Amino acid sequence: DVKVTQSSRYLVKRTGEKVFLECVQDMDHENMFWYRQDPGLGLRLIYFSYDVKMKEKGDIPEGYSVSREKKERFSLILESASTNQTSMYLCASGLARRSVAQPQHFGDGTRLSIL
Amino acid sequence: AQTVTQSQPEMSVQEAETVTLSCTYDTSESDYYLFWYKQPPSRQMILVIRQEAYKQQNATENRFSVNFQKAAKSFSLKISDSQLGDAAMYFCAYRSAGTSGTYKYIFGTGTRLKVLA
Repeated sequence: DVKVTQSSRYLVKRTGEKVFLECVQDMDHENMFWYRQDPGLGLRLIYFSYDVKMKEKGDIPEGYSVSREKKERFSLILESASTNQTSMYLCASGLARRSVAQPQHFGDGTRLSIL
Repeated sequence: AQTVTQSQPEMSVQEAETVTLSCTYDTSESDYYLFWYKQPPSRQMILVIRQEAYKQQNATENRFSVNFQKAAKSFSLKISDSQLGDAAMYFCAYRSAGTSGTYKYIFGTGTRLKVLA
């Protein structure tokens, strides 16, 4: 089974801090994703990566950056945390083949609170 | 741009009964994939069922089946013989299949399903 591991289930940080959320997958997937989940808004894509050192902005990249130095690891960085970034963050991974209905595989999520 | 709409924020069903969750989407593409994901309370999101747009036959997975109406751009999920473990948030998702399309998934806002004993 695919395993996507997020480093923390719960995290509390202060406004202005630099915050790192880590995600590791063990299935050699090319693609990795960071989503933000808020009630009534569903999942919104922050960033995704289709290869090592490659990244693309999603729908809500402002205030975030990402890093993918190794294929299995995809980090989300909040450069200067703000209270409106309090949310549930989900990491996902998947194969790159476009011609097949490949699903995404999700981590357990990190519930981040910015005080 | 593609959009996915789930118009039912919350649904309830009696245990052992059948419930249908609605999903509509908008796209100009002819080739794409559709998914239903389940997110139980405080647990990981998992795939429930998937459908390739080029297939006319509706996908089924045990008690879960879809009603895929391509012309109407509708993709509803039917859960038969509902069980307490089916209580969760359900998300409908769209993904382009063409080589010129992005690999991004577009998610709906979710439907919270309650199962009543």
